[in-house]
Amino acid sequence: AQSVTQLDSHVSVSEGTPVLLRCNYSSSYSPSLFWYVQHPNKGLQLLLKYTSAATLVKGINGFEAEFKKSETSFHLTKPSAHMSDAAEYFCVVSDGVTNAGKSTFGDGTTLTVKP
Amino acid sequence: DAGVIQSPRHEVTEMGQEVTLRCKPISGHNSLFWYRQTMMRGLELLIYFNNNVPIDDSGMPEDRFSAKMPNASFSTLKIQPSEPRDSAVYFCASSSRTIYFGEGSWLTVV
Repeated sequence: AQSVTQLDSHVSVSEGTPVLLRCNYSSSYSPSLFWYVQHPNKGLQLLLKYTSAATLVKGINGFEAEFKKSETSFHLTKPSAHMSDAAEYFCVVSDGVTNAGKSTFGDGTTLTVKP
Repeated sequence: DAGVIQSPRHEVTEMGQEVTLRCKPISGHNSLFWYRQTMMRGLELLIYFNNNVPIDDSGMPEDRFSAKMPNASFSTLKIQPSEPRDSAVYFCASSSRTIYFGEGSWLTVV
């Protein structure tokens, strides 16, 4: 069984300040973990993924996430927010046993960036 | 790579009409997913296929919904008859180990 919890439904930051979107997971297997971003009226775009290689994963647009097995976390960070980062972000866990299997999506975190 | 291709991008239809949404997955991907997204319910997995075989359709809301994948490069999601509460964005996605989404089909049933 697997599950994912995004700890904040809404996060608001000022432009130029750090971003932290929190995600905790549970999985019976060694999981693969993903972050997706969805801008308004758009599809979901892959930001980054962890698949048992380096625990610090760098993605597009300056985002990165760190896999911490002891904390069962995969938080998404960015040093300096930009207005274009305003979007909804989804954390996803997959058991990876059978291709992407039935991946489990978090409920999403809406990021607001204030000027 | 062209990515996951969905059609139509937007559709407005009258209640009771049949709606067919189409999807072409990324070549080489052997899993295909249909999701529905609404403000009220968020992102819901409707059905997923592995090697063209439906594996889990527990998310399909009712018998009015059906999905097929006749070959590795094509899938359809059909709603018959459509109802206003079916209005949503329907996403198709495909994967080998990572899920890639299409741009979605925006459906409005009036």
